[in-house]
Amino acid sequence: GAGVSQSPSNKVTEKGKDVELRCDPISGHTALYWYRQSLGQGLEFLIYFQGNSAPDKSGLPSDRFSAERTGGSVSTLTIQRTQQEDSAVYLCASSLVTGQSSGYTFGSGTRLTVV
Amino acid sequence: AQKITQTQPGMFVQGKEAVTLDCTYDTSDQSYGLFWYKQPSSGEMIFLIYQGSYDEQNATEGRYSLNFQKARKSANLVISASQLGDSAMYFCAMRGGGYSTLTFGKGTMLLVSP
Repeated sequence: GAGVSQSPSNKVTEKGKDVELRCDPISGHTALYWYRQSLGQGLEFLIYFQGNSAPDKSGLPSDRFSAERTGGSVSTLTIQRTQQEDSAVYLCASSLVTGQSSGYTFGSGTRLTVV
Repeated sequence: AQKITQTQPGMFVQGKEAVTLDCTYDTSDQSYGLFWYKQPSSGEMIFLIYQGSYDEQNATEGRYSLNFQKARKSANLVISASQLGDSAMYFCAMRGGGYSTLTFGKGTMLLVSP
């Protein structure tokens, strides 16, 4: 597609429920990244995909968080047994290559609210 | 480890004036890249400008320029002739030579008055 697409744009869920967040990167972009932005905070790195593999998932905050990418394209971030501290905007980004000068193209994010 | 520090939580500027947003970084890499992103209230992150550590000249993109002082490890963003549409959150970020991910600072909120 023309840009990075994330869905849903907003999600309200009850504490303890599981949620799935979807990211559709720009066609042909091999690198995909998930970040989390809590209110008034910077961007916290979660996981990075190169193709379908995740060479760096050091930012996942707990084992309740997992992510996968299939076909070198769409990625899904899953949060199990959601907690109130999971409330944040989850941003996905993609890039064509992973060279030093390659910036990201971001999606508009999914705003997750856990009540 | 890499670290980005943005010491200004908020900045206020009169329209048409220039404004400088501060960014300092810490890395042991010799080769790295520095980025600035803008995040308006809509939430999307917009790439503004890039500076490579070996670039001899400061990067410029329209009204944006990056004041790169390598010895001081600073990469300040200068916005000339500010406009109302510049009101947004601004993030400084870096990528080291051995890393594939960007490390972001906490951001600076810029408000431009008419």
